[in-house]
Amino acid sequence: GIQVEQSPPDLILQEGANSTLRCNFSDSVNNLQWFHQNPWGQLINLFYIPSGTKQNGRLSATTVATERYSLLYISSSQTTDSGVYFCAVVSDFNKFYFGSGTKLNVKP
Amino acid sequence: GAVVSQHPSRVICKSGTSVKIECRSLDFQATTMFWYRQFPKQSLMLMATSNEGSKATYEQGVEKDKFLINHASLTLSTLTVTSAHPEDSSFYICSATPPGQANYGYTFGSGTRLTVV
Repeated sequence: GIQVEQSPPDLILQEGANSTLRCNFSDSVNNLQWFHQNPWGQLINLFYIPSGTKQNGRLSATTVATERYSLLYISSSQTTDSGVYFCAVVSDFNKFYFGSGTKLNVKP
Repeated sequence: GAVVSQHPSRVICKSGTSVKIECRSLDFQATTMFWYRQFPKQSLMLMATSNEGSKATYEQGVEKDKFLINHASLTLSTLTVTSAHPEDSSFYICSATPPGQANYGYTFGSGTRLTVV
């Protein structure tokens, strides 16, 4: 299957700081999604972004499909942003391959 | 938007018993649903693809006789963990998408936390 690597694995921020999370993948993909997993396990879809750039409030994401990476930007971080962020890519058969996640802790 | 519901959200069972987890698409029909498993502090791993009206497709290393999948209707897929053991304790999540909308992303259920004692 497709290999998905995320970095950094852990990130501690002071509230108000900005951050960039990275996702590298090993093969061409049909689509890519970024998720935030809250403390109760719920996966919240942040972006569907197979290519290009999208923005939603303080979050934005960029995927460069030809170079097989995606970036998630969090600006002016808040404590509610804490949790685990997953990147997942989708193969030809609509199967998701998840990265290992970035655990974000935003301190007040 | 598309909503996927899972039930129960949390279950504790005794070793050797079986547990059924339901995954429902509430406002759309899903010919295909996916089941994932997440161990503590780890990522999600695809277990199987549930196909309405036909057999599920299991990923390598997943025991099909232990994890029984039934997709009897277009809105319901069930995962039954048979003869559960403590090592089966995990977080199980399903996902689906409305037909023709795979390119718009998939929706995930809220997950089921299984604890086998």
